[in-house]
Amino acid sequence: KAGVTQTPRYLIKTRGQQVTLSCSPISGHRSVSWYQQTPGQGLQFLFEYFSETQRNKGNFPGRFSGRQFSNSRSEMNVSTLELGDSALYLCASSLTVSGNTIYFGEGSWLTVV
Amino acid sequence: EDKVVQSPLSLVVHEGDTVTLNCSYEVTNFRSLLWYKQEKKAPTFLFMLTSSGIEKKSGRLSSILDKKELFSILNITATQTGDSAIYLCAAPDAGNMLTFGGGTRLMVKP
Repeated sequence: KAGVTQTPRYLIKTRGQQVTLSCSPISGHRSVSWYQQTPGQGLQFLFEYFSETQRNKGNFPGRFSGRQFSNSRSEMNVSTLELGDSALYLCASSLTVSGNTIYFGEGSWLTVV
Repeated sequence: EDKVVQSPLSLVVHEGDTVTLNCSYEVTNFRSLLWYKQEKKAPTFLFMLTSSGIEKKSGRLSSILDKKELFSILNITATQTGDSAIYLCAAPDAGNMLTFGGGTRLMVKP
């Protein structure tokens, strides 16, 4: 059974550009969450989606957005990139909205120059 | 606001040693606590604990939860260099939003 798949794995963007990251959850999982990990701030929650609906959003500016499709795949977008957006972006999937194990993908390493 | 605190921040041991990592939490509507191992990539799931006093075990790793005192420990016996990693504990809210601790960086020397 395939795990959580994230693409692209590595990318370099310039300040002011935008980026879209993709996540395919484990087959059958309908809950997808996104996290940002930086050395200074650790792992911070971005958003959570279930059945194409955003259930929760972390304390990030409006430049960070996401969505989930009917096949449970999810994308997150960051517009007007800033140097501080350089981070590992992790996607996590779970079977339902609560009470189940949460599994992480390999992450997308974003560098903003 | 939910809070998860891990200690120690970092730990250096030699192969064969036993280590104990600590995780305390203050979570509204506590349901479970999860432990992950992270080695330069995605966090790998280790354990999910929901009941107090029940030990979860996998090989040399084990974990226990104390819901009264609001903490969990992760034990690793007979440590190996491959155990070197950051160990994270996290607690979900009523949904799947995880609040993570800062992690414990474990280095196992040969």
